[in-house]
Order: sequence, then structure tokens, then C-alpha cells
Amino acid sequence: EVQLVEAGGGLVNPGGSLRLSCAASILSFTSYSINWVRQAPGKGLEWVASISGSGTYRYYADSLKGRFIISRDNARKSVYLQVNSLRAEDTAVYYCATAPVAGVSYLDYWGQGTLVTVSS
Amino acid sequence: EIVLTQSPGTLSLSPGDRATLSCRTSQSVSASYLAWYQQKPGQAPRLLMYGSFNRASGIPDRFSGRGSGTDFTLTISRLEPEDFAVYYCHQYGSSPGTFGQGTTVEIK
Repeated sequence: EVQLVEAGGGLVNPGGSLRLSCAASILSFTSYSINWVRQAPGKGLEWVASISGSGTYRYYADSLKGRFIISRDNARKSVYLQVNSLRAEDTAVYYCATAPVAGVSYLDYWGQGTLVTVSS
Repeated sequence: EIVLTQSPGTLSLSPGDRATLSCRTSQSVSASYLAWYQQKPGQAPRLLMYGSFNRASGIPDRFSGRGSGTDFTLTISRLEPEDFAVYYCHQYGSSPGTFGQGTTVEIK
């Protein structure tokens, strides 16, 4: 069974940074692309970023490119999302989710999410 | 990017009723790369359908999907109490993947 656990969220000042993590319990971790999807309070879902199983290929939502960086450590079975220059509109629950392919794909297993609140 | 419009916004039904949810896309979705997710309050989304009509692992057969091009439908044949939730469609045929705004299925 696939399990994903996000961590690293919290309250941060505008302009600040956070590093979100997604720890996976997956037998063949490198077979999975991992995505980040966020959901602002009371709103819908927004795809953020994706990284291939090897970590070679990375994809970002255009609006977030340059501020968000996705990476992975396959030895630790973890994926990270570095979020910089945070703005109030980045306030959301950030979910990690697996996908069969990197880039654009359906998302088959999801973590429970970690809340990022950007406020002074 | 492709815009997804879900209708209705809210569906008020009783257990045992049939639910029909619509998702229309602003451009044709290639190879029917359309998925549906269910989300309950305080929980993560759960994949229900992918490729328009393929049920994800463990999803009961009262859930079915159909459609192609720009018009897609999720049908729940007989609503169970645990089916009352928000449903999102998601196109992944064109980058970036985009989601609809959701349809809430509530108890009447």
C-alpha cells in the first residue's frame, strides 16, 4: 500500500520561505513521479509541480516557476518542495501525490496535506 | 491552459438516488485524459476515475465515467451515505493539468 506523509507547513511571514517534505512508504519509489497540488482554504485544487522518478525531469506551474523548487532524495524516499518569496495567496494545504508518469498525469495516491499560512 | 467547468455547483439528493455530474472543458481533451476525484471535509482527494471511464483501484462499480472531447460525465448509480462529498474533474491531456471548481453532492 502506498502511504505519503507531508510535513513542514506552518505560519510564515510574507516574503519568507519554507521547505515542505513528502515521505513515502512505497516499495518501488523510483517508479513513481511525485506531484505537489495545493488547495487554498475553501477553494479548489491547483497543480503546483511534478518530478520524475529519477529526479531528472521537473515541471512547474508557470505562475510559480522561479519561486518553487521541487526535488527528491530517492535514498530517503522523500520529495521536497522549497517555497520562496511567499505571498498571502500561497496560503493553502499542500498535498503530495503519486502519478504513473512525470509531467501531466492523473494522481493516484495522496498524502493528508500540510497547511502553509502566509501572514504577518 | 484548458478551463474545466463543472455543473451543477451543488447537487441535493437522497441516498439511493442517481447522481449525474458534468465536466466541460474549454478545449478538447486528448485521448480522454480526464480524471475524477472525491474529497470529503478535512481529507485529501481520492482518485475515482481516470482515462474518462477507468475506475481506480478499490472504487465500487456504482461509480462510472464517460465522455470524450469536451464533455465528460461522472455517474453514481445509487448514492450511499459515504458518497456525499465534493467531486473534482481533472484534465491531464494538456500541460498544465487543470481542475474543475468542484460539484458538491449534499444530502437533501
